[in-house]
Amino acid sequence: GQQVQQSPASLVLQEGENAELQCNFSTSLNSMQWFYQRPGGSLVSLFYNPSGTKHSGRLTSTTVIKERRSSLHISSSQTTDSGTYLCALDDSGGSNYKLTFGKGTLLTVTP
Amino acid sequence: DPKIIQKPKYLVAVTGSEKILICEQYLGHNAMYWYRQSAKKPLEFMFSYSYQKLMDNQTASSRFQPQSSKKNHLDLQITALKPDDSATYFCASSQARLGNYAEQFFGPGTRLTVL
Repeated sequence: GQQVQQSPASLVLQEGENAELQCNFSTSLNSMQWFYQRPGGSLVSLFYNPSGTKHSGRLTSTTVIKERRSSLHISSSQTTDSGTYLCALDDSGGSNYKLTFGKGTLLTVTP
Repeated sequence: DPKIIQKPKYLVAVTGSEKILICEQYLGHNAMYWYRQSAKKPLEFMFSYSYQKLMDNQTASSRFQPQSSKKNHLDLQITALKPDDSATYFCASSQARLGNYAEQFFGPGTRLTVL
């Protein structure tokens, strides 16, 4: 089955520093999503990005299918960015819409 | 206003009992899902429904039964509860089109504790 590896497992930054989170996958995919999971547990979709680069405020997602990787860049981090970042992908061929998640990167931003 | 509602937010049950987790979505989506997140595992897919029909079932146990009474409802019935069922259960939805993946949106989750 599909393997989704996220790195690093955890990251501590000082406010204002940038972060680069990685997601590597073992087989081809049809879609890639990045989520932010709040400390309380709820999930927020950050990007739906099956290929190419997308921007949203201080966040940038880049997916390179032939290299089987996706990255999430956070610029000028803030304490409110603290939480877990999850990547998830669908390799079901558009029939079952099943997301396979990585274990996540726990980001802590200190003042 | 929340677009995906899950009830209850917290649930405590005793071993062997039965519980129903409620999910309603107001995004107008035609596909709904259940995922589970336990302390020791990543978020994992359980079920997918499209137009109220089961598309995929990745749970090994028949104790987990999804129920779709309306297009925008997908409840999860869990019978003969075990302590290992303790987890946060997330409902999600998307506007699915055959052959094309669509972004999934998640509800706030129901945290189930089985004693």
